[in-house]
Amino acid sequence: DTGVSQNPRHKITKRGQNVTFRCDPISEHNRLYWYRQTLGQGPEFLTYFQNEAQLEKSRLLSDRFSAERPKGSFSTLEIQRTEQGDSAMYLCASSLPIGTENTGELFFGEGSRLTVL
Amino acid sequence: AQSVSQHNHHVILSEAASLELGCNYSYGGTVNLFWYVQYPGQHLQLLLKYFSGDPLVKGIKGFEAEFIKSKFSFNLRKPSVQWSDTAEYFCAVNAGGNNRLAFGKGNQVVVIP
Repeated sequence: DTGVSQNPRHKITKRGQNVTFRCDPISEHNRLYWYRQTLGQGPEFLTYFQNEAQLEKSRLLSDRFSAERPKGSFSTLEIQRTEQGDSAMYLCASSLPIGTENTGELFFGEGSRLTVL
Repeated sequence: AQSVSQHNHHVILSEAASLELGCNYSYGGTVNLFWYVQYPGQHLQLLLKYFSGDPLVKGIKGFEAEFIKSKFSFNLRKPSVQWSDTAEYFCAVNAGGNNRLAFGKGNQVVVIP
């Protein structure tokens, strides 16, 4: 399977613990995005990378959240001191650069579901 | 900021019925428009997209959408749904050279056999 891969698929943790999610994008895609989706809502943008550079962060990304993409390939999203409000599906997506062959279509992984007790 | 509105969050219909899902966005410039579908237990998949040219776009599985610039709309249609179309449908906009998609809240569609 050459799609976007995310793990773990499910994570249950206690409030106050740290969690980390990993995303492996499609290999030729240099853009990588993190979104969050809660029940009854569409995906909400968190942050995106072009290669290893983090170019934009949403106001939703509090200082407890940090994302990295050290070598421009896979990415990690860490949430420190988790709160119950962090419970959500965390989606990763990747894309080619916007240009003549790409119109901004994102390819999504299956997501990592976080439950904070 | 861009925003995307989808109406009638829950839609229930019978097989062979026609489906139309509304999508309105707020942005006055050039936009790229998308409909994504999420089948139960699966990841988001692209259904169709518009970026230029013919405003009537045809996608997979018999879906089509029409971009009406004057109405800031990109409504999704299918003339005859099947049980397998049960899914959640999301409209999304990429506007003004922005590097990210803004999504609507989605439409949960249930097709009764």
